Amino acid sequence: ETGVTQTPRHLVMGMTNKKSLKCEQHLGHNAMYWYKQSAKKPLELMFVYNFKEQTENNSVPSRFSPECPNSSHLFLHLHTLQPEDSALYLCASSHQSETQYFGPGTRLLVL
Amino acid sequence: KQEVTQIPAALSVPEGENLVLNCSFTDSAIYNLQWFRQDPGKGLTSLLLIQSSQREQTSGRLNASLDKSSGRSTLYIAASQPGDSATYLCAVPTLLNAGNMLTFGGGTRLMVKP
Repeated sequence: ETGVTQTPRHLVMGMTNKKSLKCEQHLGHNAMYWYKQSAKKPLELMFVYNFKEQTENNSVPSRFSPECPNSSHLFLHLHTLQPEDSALYLCASSHQSETQYFGPGTRLLVL
Repeated sequence: KQEVTQIPAALSVPEGENLVLNCSFTDSAIYNLQWFRQDPGKGLTSLLLIQSSQREQTSGRLNASLDKSSGRSTLYIAASQPGDSATYLCAVPTLLNAGNMLTFGGGTRLMVKP
């Protein structure tokens, strides 16, 4: 078990729903990340937060809205998603640019 | 823009074989390369991190090498076991970007048969 937890582990939502994914790290890291892993595509970086400040937004649509209230917690707010947004969403954390530690992911299905 | 390619995409071997997984990247301006393991439906586990000043790193039956000039890394698994079955991913940050922005390859899905 890693020091990065994600909830929920599975989520089914309709296109008009609003939901949030939560990530928490217990490793004392100062950087947190959201990744998307779709079938048959490489893992894609979505957002990077360093010291609670968003430093990267990898051209992610505005229907995905991240929030980092403190260095231990990261949220991904979802609204009006599309079926093609169905994927495994992975959170990770690191101390600056050192090894990233990943959570188990949230498997999202958009109907 | 950094691109990372992994060959082969899938590999099936009998237990006990030694095997090599390949990773290539287009921009050699990296300061480290990481190999990860991912079990089905799970998150990633870091296996090895090689700094750009290093040629290789070893952990148990795993050995990773790095040749920056040619844009290549290999992961060598000795005496493979069924428990090694997983997807193996390599990832590189790029110096020109924030050092913690990782670009991943598509992975090699390994199946070790008893």
